[in-house]
Amino acid sequence: DAGVIQSPRHEVTEMGQEVTLRCKPISGHNSLFWYRQTMMRGLELLIYFNNNVPIDDSGMPEDRFSAKMPNASFSTLKIQPSEPRDSAVYFCASSLSGSYNEQFFGPGTRLTVL
Amino acid sequence: GQQLNQSPQSMFIQEGEDVSMNCTSSSIFNTWLWYKQDPGEGPVLLIALYKAGELTSNGRLTAQFGITRKDSFLNISASIPSDVGIYFCGGNSGGSNYKLTFGKGTLLTVNP
Repeated sequence: DAGVIQSPRHEVTEMGQEVTLRCKPISGHNSLFWYRQTMMRGLELLIYFNNNVPIDDSGMPEDRFSAKMPNASFSTLKIQPSEPRDSAVYFCASSLSGSYNEQFFGPGTRLTVL
Repeated sequence: GQQLNQSPQSMFIQEGEDVSMNCTSSSIFNTWLWYKQDPGEGPVLLIALYKAGELTSNGRLTAQFGITRKDSFLNISASIPSDVGIYFCGGNSGGSNYKLTFGKGTLLTVNP
């Protein structure tokens, strides 16, 4: 079975540009999570969706970040405008709500903002 | 908020040695998860623990859910070079809160 799919795997952009990261969760999973990983702060939860509805976005750094989940098989994380301090690895993870948080992670998108 | 302290931060061992790492929390958790992350990849779930005192194995890996519900341990026996990576603990307080709090990770290096 396919795991969580993320694209692109790598993104290099210039400050001020819009960045869109994409995620396809594991089929049948109804919870989706976006994380950011940096050396300094480790893994940080940005937002999570349950049944396509954003439940908690308290981890979203600021208004430049937005996330959507238009259907059960697709989610996006957008940064507009991007800044150098947004450089990090962004992970998408999915789980079944009743599986006590057995979250399955995608391979991540390594974002570099110059 | 919840905090997880994971130790050690890094370990350098010889192939064949056993390894132990742990996580402690400032609050009670109902679930403990252990993940491994290889370079350039996402974390992969190794073991999930749901009950205080629970001891679960996955091959050479064994993890335990502490009795106090504020800690967890991961042991790797007879390490091999492919065990190299970063090991993360994650915890959740349960209920309707599905948020995981993660430790900062333990970087394991295994010398052949």
